[in-house]
Amino acid sequence: GEDVEQSLFLSVREGDSSVINCTYTDSSSTYLYWYKQEPGAGLQLLTYIFSNMDMKQDQRLTVLLNKKDKHLSLRIADTQTGDSAIYFCAESSLETSGSRLTFGEGTQLTVNP
Amino acid sequence: GAVVSQHPSRVICKSGTSVKIECRSLDFQATTMFWYRQFPKQSLMLMATSNEGSKATYEQGVEKDKFLINHASLTLSTLTVTSAHPEDSSFYICSAIDRTSSYEQYFGPGTRLTVT
Repeated sequence: GEDVEQSLFLSVREGDSSVINCTYTDSSSTYLYWYKQEPGAGLQLLTYIFSNMDMKQDQRLTVLLNKKDKHLSLRIADTQTGDSAIYFCAESSLETSGSRLTFGEGTQLTVNP
Repeated sequence: GAVVSQHPSRVICKSGTSVKIECRSLDFQATTMFWYRQFPKQSLMLMATSNEGSKATYEQGVEKDKFLINHASLTLSTLTVTSAHPEDSSFYICSAIDRTSSYEQYFGPGTRLTVT
C-alpha cells in the first residue's frame, strides 16, 4: 500500500530557513500536501502541489517535488517561533484512492529564539 | 479558506454511555467527509469515509457498530461513539472535501474525547 515517511524532529533558530523532507512510495500520487498542526488543534492546509509540478512558492513557503525520487520538501523561509508545530506531509492518488489522504508521521518543528 | 467546525471541542463521558460529535462545513458543500482518530504524538488514522446520502465506508479494523456515522446533508456529518470505553479516549478529527474542488480537503479543529 501507500507509504509516506518523514523525519520526526527538526530544530532551527529563529530567522533561519527550515526544510522538512518527505518521501512517498505511490508512483500514482496526484496531489501532495503539507499540513500544519498546532497543539490541541486540527490540521491547517498550508499548501499543495500537483504531481506534474516541480515547485510551488507561496510567500515564505516553497515546495519542491522530485517525482523521480518520490521526494517532497517544504522550505519555510525566515522561520518564526509561531511556526513551531507538527508538519504533516500527505498524498492522494485520484487513480487508486480517490480523495483519501495518506499521511506521514509528522515532523515536530521547534523554533528556538 | 473553507471552514470546518466540530462540536463539541471537548467532551468527558462515563464508560458505557454514547457520545455524538458533529462536523459541519460552514461555507461550502461537502459531498465527502472523513473521520480520523489521532493518538498522542502520532499521525492521523482514517476511520471512515462518509458520503452524503449513503452509508459510510469503514477502514479495516474499525467497528461500524461502535462508531456510527451519519451524513444526512451536504454540510453535516456526525460520529457517534456508542457504549464508550476508556480505550476510546482520543482526539477525533473530521475533514471535508469541497464539492467544487475535489483535491482540497479541509480539517475541523478536532474533538478531545475522554472516557472515564
